[in-house]
Amino acid sequence: AQRVTQPEKLLSVFKGAPVELKCNYSYSGSPELFWYVQYSRQRLQLLLRHISRESIKGFTADLNKGETSFHLKKPFAQEEDSAMYYCALSGDKETSGSRLTFGEGTQLTVNP
Amino acid sequence: EPEVTQTPSHQVTQMGQEVILRCVPISNHLYFYWYRQILGQKVEFLVSFYNNEISEKSEIFDDQFSVERPDGSNFTLKIRSTKLEDSAMYFCASRVRGLSPLHFGNGTRLTVT
Repeated sequence: AQRVTQPEKLLSVFKGAPVELKCNYSYSGSPELFWYVQYSRQRLQLLLRHISRESIKGFTADLNKGETSFHLKKPFAQEEDSAMYYCALSGDKETSGSRLTFGEGTQLTVNP
Repeated sequence: EPEVTQTPSHQVTQMGQEVILRCVPISNHLYFYWYRQILGQKVEFLVSFYNNEISEKSEIFDDQFSVERPDGSNFTLKIRSTKLEDSAMYFCASRVRGLSPLHFGNGTRLTVT
């Protein structure tokens, strides 16, 4: 079974402060991990995925297989980062297109 | 940039009624999905669809649910006899290949009264 846990439902930081959104997962094979973001009244959008190892809007996330974590980090939060963030996991079924399992989400608020 | 579109944005129906939620995936995408999110809860997988058949479904996707791709563009989710607990935001999603990024629609908010 695959499972994603985001322990913080709400996270509030001040502009310019570092931010870390936690994500832990459970999966027996080789998962692919994603972060999706949902800005107010907008659709879910892919923020980043672990295999691309890139930084989007200043966010990075490193897959730690030992700790089964995929925490999302940004060194200096901006007000426009305020949104709902979802960690998601996809299993390794190539041919049929794996389901995404989502965490509960963390609502990030960046205060001025 | 092409988008997944969903209609209607909000649907209100009475318990026991049939409802059809509509989605137009991105045109060159081959894999289609429905997810739902009950208010205050996580986004949950319902079903995936590929090559004109269901490839995977969750325990939520019981006999009351069905999906169809009636033509080359639409992808629909039908709930035969709605229950109060079906009230949720329903998201359609599509992707080009099995492991490429998933693109979501804006969702349809279904309210069952």
